[in-house]
Amino acid sequence: NAGVMQNPRHLVRRRGQEARLRCSPMKGHSHVYWYRQLPEEGLKFMVYLQKENIIDESGMPKERFSAEFPKEGPSILRIQQVVRGDSAAYFCASSLQGDAFFGQGTRLTVV
Amino acid sequence: SQQGEEDPQALSIQEGENATMNCSYKTSINNLQWYRQNSGRGLVHLILIRSNEREKHSGRLRVTLDTSKKSSSLLITASRAADTASYFCATDLYNNNDMRFGAGTRLTVKP
Repeated sequence: NAGVMQNPRHLVRRRGQEARLRCSPMKGHSHVYWYRQLPEEGLKFMVYLQKENIIDESGMPKERFSAEFPKEGPSILRIQQVVRGDSAAYFCASSLQGDAFFGQGTRLTVV
Repeated sequence: SQQGEEDPQALSIQEGENATMNCSYKTSINNLQWYRQNSGRGLVHLILIRSNEREKHSGRLRVTLDTSKKSSSLLITASRAADTASYFCATDLYNNNDMRFGAGTRLTVKP
């Protein structure tokens, strides 16, 4: 059983472009969480999704950020019109009901 | 792979007592973070301690870091039933784009 898979591991985007980050949860897991980490800071919760539903998006910026977890396929975190401040490591985690397992993250660099 | 290793794996105490959890790690770190996870939910960042700090406080939480022993402890004073959760430590290898978590300590606080 593969762990939580995130891709790409590194993503470079120019200001104004779109960034798409993918997260494939562990097999059988129906809950996905996205977190953002800035240098020297802890993980900050962004959004919690179950299949086809957004349960809690209280940590998501109101504009330019969106997330989905379709019935089939990975969860996608989408950032439109990226700015330098979006540069960070983005982690997703999946769970069934108990402990969450984390992916290795995607490092987004906006140039 | 997971670098932080918490002990004990499970801890059960009465309300009002103090709870101490320990975390060990293997390689050099920039900082170490403690998180709480309530069952079925995402992680909540509790406290971050940098490698040049030895102790840090936040409310009822006290974290120590001993880089010579590669270990950290989290003390929760005057515990409450609401403190019941799993507690994880994570070593931040941000520059390597790799957040590593231990398996966690399950704390149960009985009213």
